[in-house]
Amino acid sequence: GAGVSQTPSNKVTEKGKYVELRCDPISGHTALYWYRQSLGQGPEFLIYFQGTGAADDSGLPNDRFFAVRPEGSVSTLKIQRTERGDSAVYLCASSLSPQNQPQHFGDGTRLSIL
Amino acid sequence: DAKTTQPNSMESNEEEPVHLPCNHSTISGTDYIHWYRQLPSQGPEYVIHGLTSNVNNRMASLAIAEDRKSSTLILHRATLRDAAVYYCILRSNDYKLSFGAGTTVTVRA
Repeated sequence: GAGVSQTPSNKVTEKGKYVELRCDPISGHTALYWYRQSLGQGPEFLIYFQGTGAADDSGLPNDRFFAVRPEGSVSTLKIQRTERGDSAVYLCASSLSPQNQPQHFGDGTRLSIL
Repeated sequence: DAKTTQPNSMESNEEEPVHLPCNHSTISGTDYIHWYRQLPSQGPEYVIHGLTSNVNNRMASLAIAEDRKSSTLILHRATLRDAAVYYCILRSNDYKLSFGAGTTVTVRA
């Protein structure tokens, strides 16, 4: 079946611009997660959705970052006034239920801020 | 979160077994041991997880020490496709995964 899909796969933009990154989870998965991975490091947690609500957004680095999941399926990560330090691979994952179920990851969006 | 310690890198020959160690001396009774791997330019991929008993699946085996302070992921016959970063993660009824730096596995043809 279809896995987690993330679009675009690559995004290059200028400092100060606004970007949106999209995640299509596996159908039926109620839990959705966003992570960020900098070069040479493991992924870092950003935010977790259970259904439509953000159950934990403690990993978002600052208020320029925001994520939504209005219908409990597709999610969008939004970054305002981008900075060069936001350059990273943004990964999305989904699972059937949050507790100790395997998370299924997309291949990420590589974001480059010039 | 309880932390894990893994070697930075390991090398193996193709078709030979690979044993990847992970130390987790501060593990709690409710922590599950999860392993994920990440191939180049891809997202992480679930490999296996366990609590106390050894576990086997089509990808690998997980051997857990009796005191649970360490574990070993075993790839029975390494292939070139197994070259990846392998992450050992403790998870206690938690939703988020806390990744460390992992072990970079290189497979020689």
